[in-house]
Amino acid sequence: GQQVMQIPQYQHVQEGEDFTTYCNSSTTLSNIQWYKQRPGGHPVFLIQLVKSGEVKKQKRLTFQFGEAKKNSSLHITATQTTDVGTYFCTYNFNKFYFGSGTKLNVKP
Amino acid sequence: EAQVTQNPRYLITVTGKKLTVTCSQNMNHEYMSWYRQDPGLGLRQIYYSMNVEVTDKGDVPEGYKVSRKEKRNFPLILESPSPNQTSLYFCASSPRLTSTDTQYFGPGTRLTVL
Repeated sequence: GQQVMQIPQYQHVQEGEDFTTYCNSSTTLSNIQWYKQRPGGHPVFLIQLVKSGEVKKQKRLTFQFGEAKKNSSLHITATQTTDVGTYFCTYNFNKFYFGSGTKLNVKP
Repeated sequence: EAQVTQNPRYLITVTGKKLTVTCSQNMNHEYMSWYRQDPGLGLRQIYYSMNVEVTDKGDVPEGYKVSRKEKRNFPLILESPSPNQTSLYFCASSPRLTSTDTQYFGPGTRLTVL
């Protein structure tokens, strides 16, 4: 079935380092959404990208949608311990499809 | 407050003892869904519902049942739980299933089947 591949599965960084997670699809996506799940919590919606080449920022987080609308990335500048959690990309096409998630650990 | 609620939050049970996990949303959403989350496997969809009396299988429906008799409620039923159903379960809702709709997740139910 349709899927999004997300890499890396895990990332350990020192506080202050940057972090990036990538989502790739074999098919063109109408949109992509990003969610964050804190340890012990539930996924929470962060942002949605719809347009080809779209870039959106939320403070230290930068989200990109590829020109071909087949890939997306989430970049965090100067990570903080509050960034710890798992980041998921997802899209919907008759149902919601989730990437496997990237678990981010930030060492203080 | 707009929210999705699940009960119970934690449950330890034994193999074969029927159980129901309730899910309720107060946002008048048409779309509701159940997921299970296991280490290394991400979120996998169990069942979803596009509206009242309309349900469909997700990726891992075996061993589960659902019903959607009212718009706000979408219970997950395990008729005869087995240890491989030990997992973290999330209910989610969405206004509809248009491409721009987002999902709202419940707090999760951690189920252990002994």
